[in-house]
Amino acid sequence: EAQVTQNPRYLITVTGKKLTVTCSQNMNHEYMSWYRQDPGLGLRQIYYSMNVEVTDKGDVPEGYKVSRKEKRNFPLILESPSPNQTSLYFCASRKNGGNQPQHFGDGTRLSIL
Amino acid sequence: KQEVTQIPAALSVPEGENLVLNCSFTDSAIYNLQWFRQDPGKGLTSLLLIQSSQREQTSGRLNASLDKSSGRSTLYIAASQPGDSATYLCAVIGDSNYQLIWGAGTKLIIKP
Repeated sequence: EAQVTQNPRYLITVTGKKLTVTCSQNMNHEYMSWYRQDPGLGLRQIYYSMNVEVTDKGDVPEGYKVSRKEKRNFPLILESPSPNQTSLYFCASRKNGGNQPQHFGDGTRLSIL
Repeated sequence: KQEVTQIPAALSVPEGENLVLNCSFTDSAIYNLQWFRQDPGKGLTSLLLIQSSQREQTSGRLNASLDKSSGRSTLYIAASQPGDSATYLCAVIGDSNYQLIWGAGTKLIIKP
């Protein structure tokens, strides 16, 4: 089944403790992206990647890192999480090209205490 | 800078009614507009994608229209059902890049 898989789905942690949210897709998509969703603000893009070893900042990249060493994986790294990074995070992928639909993972709810 | 607005933020209607969700955007230079559905605890599902050269797209009971010049799109849902209850989001892709700019969504509740 074609899908985007995120792990973990839920995480409660403390300020400053490094964490990684994994994202994997099995559709051989070139493009992958991370979003955060906060009430009343809609989805905001954190980072995106057009292909392996190519990453770019989105609208809200501060406090986050990503890597794209393999086509299928695009982990999101919070080196020193802070409470303002408490949010619902989504990973998405699609084939390159503006008219390709995006496929989303089920989301990761992070709570930073 | 492109901004996308969805009104209303929430809508509750009885089952069986036809309804319209609205999406507006400030910069008419878009590549396409997409409508998504978000269910609680789930990711987003792509419903319809309208390219900038198109006026509308249809899928089953859903019809999305696009008026680039006025910066508006509508999602029409015919004969609503309780299973249509979800949050509906619209997003645009600008002409200069392929990144989605999102509205905050309309939470739709269909009462049985």
